[in-house]
Amino acid sequence: EAQVTQNPRYLITVTGKKLTVTCSQNMNHEYMSWYRQDPGLGLRQIYYSMNVEVTDKGDVPEGYKVSRKEKRNFPLILESPSPNQTSLYFCASSPRQGVGYGYTFGSGTRLTVV
Amino acid sequence: AQKVTQAQTEISVVEKEDVTLDCVYETRDTTYYLFWYKQPPSGELVFLIRRNSFDEQNEISGRYSWNFQKSTSSFNFTITASQVVDSAVYFCALPMNYGGSQGNLIFGKGTKLSVKP
Repeated sequence: EAQVTQNPRYLITVTGKKLTVTCSQNMNHEYMSWYRQDPGLGLRQIYYSMNVEVTDKGDVPEGYKVSRKEKRNFPLILESPSPNQTSLYFCASSPRQGVGYGYTFGSGTRLTVV
Repeated sequence: AQKVTQAQTEISVVEKEDVTLDCVYETRDTTYYLFWYKQPPSGELVFLIRRNSFDEQNEISGRYSWNFQKSTSSFNFTITASQVVDSAVYFCALPMNYGGSQGNLIFGKGTKLSVKP
């Protein structure tokens, strides 16, 4: 089944403890992206990747890192999480960068930083 | 700048009522795509439809229909004979069409639909 897999689905952590949210797609998509969703603010893009080893900042990249060493994986790294990073996170992929493809989304990761 | 506006924050209807969710967009491009996604209470984002600006015909899929009007920059979504399972947040989205961010989806704030039995 074609899908984007995120792990974990739920995570509670403490301020400052480094964490990684994994994202993997099995569709051989070139383009991958991370979004966060917050009440009243909607979905905002954190980082995106056009292909292996090519990443760029989205609208809200502060406090996050990403890497794209393999085509299928695009982990989101929070080096020192803070409470304002409590959010619902989505990974998404698309066949390639372009306006007509749309995204396939993962199931989401609900992160709470205390 | 490109922008998507979903003015209806929340809508509540009774089962079997028809309901229309509004989406107004802004873009300077003559060619563009528009998308609708559904987010049920379980939280995932589900693709509903993609529409090319060249195609202004209304789209119908079962109880769902979409009305695309370039003259008013609107891409509205109607659910006919709503059901409790339609309860969700619905997002309209427009891809950025220029530069390094080309293809990145710009989402509206979403409309939360509650369908009561």
